[in-house]
Amino acid sequence: AQSVTQLGSHVSVSEGALVLLRCNYSSSVPPYLFWYVQYPNQGLQLLLKYTTGATLVKGINGFEAEFKKSETSFHLTKPSAHMSDAAEYFCAVSFSGGYNKLIFGAGTRLAVHP
Amino acid sequence: DVKVTQSSRYLVKRTGEKVFLECVQDMDHENMFWYRQDPGLGLRLIYFSYDVKMKEKGDIPEGYSVSREKKERFSLILESASTNQTSMYLCASSFSRGGPNTGELFFGEGSRLTVL
Repeated sequence: AQSVTQLGSHVSVSEGALVLLRCNYSSSVPPYLFWYVQYPNQGLQLLLKYTTGATLVKGINGFEAEFKKSETSFHLTKPSAHMSDAAEYFCAVSFSGGYNKLIFGAGTRLAVHP
Repeated sequence: DVKVTQSSRYLVKRTGEKVFLECVQDMDHENMFWYRQDPGLGLRLIYFSYDVKMKEKGDIPEGYSVSREKKERFSLILESASTNQTSMYLCASSFSRGGPNTGELFFGEGSRLTVL
């Protein structure tokens, strides 16, 4: 069975500091991996995704993530946090041929302080 | 741009009432989904549909039903609302076929339901 684990339900960083949000998955078949962001009172917006090809994926707003098969990880990073990055972030996994059902992690709330 | 529209942003209902949550997408997507979002639990799949009149149970279907009479519309029904169904409900849609949007779900803004 597929599952997603996000380490840390709350992460707090200073403005300008590195952002690192951790995601590990389990999947018996090659996964598709996603990071979504949710701003207050809004739906989810895709940040980036990995389906095939290059394992380092760049997304919107300066975020990137690297698919590491040996570690079953897909951690999200951003070199320099901005106040506007404060939101909740969800990692998700699906697999080809599965009607695009996404299985989500529990989410990580990112706080950015001055 | 893809647009997924949920009919109500906020609803307050009483225990035992029948509740309809409506979702419409304008991108001719084959797949539509209803998720429930609760703090600390992330998003959990209630039901999904891969074609008109077709539906599949997700991980937490108990207490819910769905209807998809038209390709663009997917409704979530709570036959008899209970307080433990107080939650945020998110609708999403996606293509079935490949291409640049492979695997990507497009979400509505959510419907926050409170059952008293």
